[in-house]
Amino acid sequence: NAGVTQTPKFQVLKTGQSMTLQCAQDMNHNSMYWYRQDPGMGLRLIYYSASEGTTDKGEVPNGYNVSRLNKREFSLRLESAAPSQTSVYFCASSDPRIGSYSYEQYFGPGTRLTVT
Amino acid sequence: QQQVKQSPQSLIVQKGGIPIINCAYENTAFDYFPWYQQFPGKGPALLIAIRPDVSEKKEGRFTISFNKSAKQFSLHIMDSQPGDSATYFCAASGGGTYKYIFGTGTRLKVLA
Repeated sequence: NAGVTQTPKFQVLKTGQSMTLQCAQDMNHNSMYWYRQDPGMGLRLIYYSASEGTTDKGEVPNGYNVSRLNKREFSLRLESAAPSQTSVYFCASSDPRIGSYSYEQYFGPGTRLTVT
Repeated sequence: QQQVKQSPQSLIVQKGGIPIINCAYENTAFDYFPWYQQFPGKGPALLIAIRPDVSEKKEGRFTISFNKSAKQFSLHIMDSQPGDSATYFCAASGGGTYKYIFGTGTRLKVLA
């Protein structure tokens, strides 16, 4: 199993350009998440999808859109990139079930995005 | 009320030392408290987690201590090794949601 995969690994954009970050998981998980990681700020949730067909805003959704394409794939789109969106982006997945002990999230390797 | 406060921001210890990282939360509905370990250039990975019905959990050299009344929990790394050098994040979840609220991270360096 590959776990959670993300593409691309690195990307440089100019201000105003758009791009889509791709994420896929092969663990048959229901829930998927997008985070951004900035120095001193920890991991902040951008959007999440509790199950196929649903998406919800997280802590920092402005400037982003998401699509839960199917159970495996969850993409993050920047419509008009800004320098403030320079960050490392992580996708994660989990399979929380009522009565289960663990809400463990499995993370991908990240996409390092620079907006100039 | 949704914050998780983590300290210190960075920590340097000698090999064999016992680094301690602390976290505090406000929302008493949280019921799952994981610690994640992240190496440079990699995604975070679950290290150890605890529920509030126990005060301590050990897995190998890693121990979580949990103080429900104080709304605090901490990670202890026994006999720390240079290979433990990484960034550690605490998190909290629960209260009807499985979303995590992460702390801001602690960069640990263990000197050989």
